[in-house]
Amino acid sequence: EADIYQTPRYLVIGTGKKITLECSQTMGHDKMYWYQQDPGMELHLIHYSYGVNSTEKGDLSSESTVSRIRTEHFPLTLESARPSHTSQYLCASSEGTGVHGYTFGSGTRLTVV
Amino acid sequence: SQQGEEDPQALSIQEGENATMNCSYKTSINNLQWYRQNSGRGLVHLILIRSNEREKHSGRLRVTLDTSKKSSSLLITASRAADTASYFCATDPQAYSGAGSYQLTFGKGTKLSVIP
Repeated sequence: EADIYQTPRYLVIGTGKKITLECSQTMGHDKMYWYQQDPGMELHLIHYSYGVNSTEKGDLSSESTVSRIRTEHFPLTLESARPSHTSQYLCASSEGTGVHGYTFGSGTRLTVV
Repeated sequence: SQQGEEDPQALSIQEGENATMNCSYKTSINNLQWYRQNSGRGLVHLILIRSNEREKHSGRLRVTLDTSKKSSSLLITASRAADTASYFCATDPQAYSGAGSYQLTFGKGTKLSVIP
């Protein structure tokens, strides 16, 4: 049973549209992450947050932006979607002490046509 | 760049056989973790082994860690068709430690197929 929820599960959208991928967790975790993953490929960190009002870019350059106004909510926004943004986006959270691992959401598969 | 590298990239076995996957990494770590990903889904945390541990068990999973060789292995015993998935190792690098930082580095994964 996932304690971290991503919506929508699938999204097909036209080029140039603005989209927001939602991610919410009910565990009270301070640390949250966004990864981008092409099918069958490795995960690339694109954004992370260690608490409210704290966001950082990850290793992979991304045109997306994130916000962290509430502990439980970490949405990702693309102002103008392009076909190159087609991918799976995974959200994760952690209590961040290294005792436990990450908890991942089920992902959003985005297709930009 | 990704620190962990799994080997093999793909593995196909018969149900009931054991499956072994390996992971190599480059820098000193606090711990190493293994995750499973079913097709098109998120990752599920399987097991965490600390840098001062050499072996850990969880059900049909056995993980070993050799910090001198910077390598780990995941053994799944008596595999089942339901074990078919991609398996990723993730490292918690010491370089990212401190100041409340916690950032895992994932490998490319091993795709395991268990044939009924």
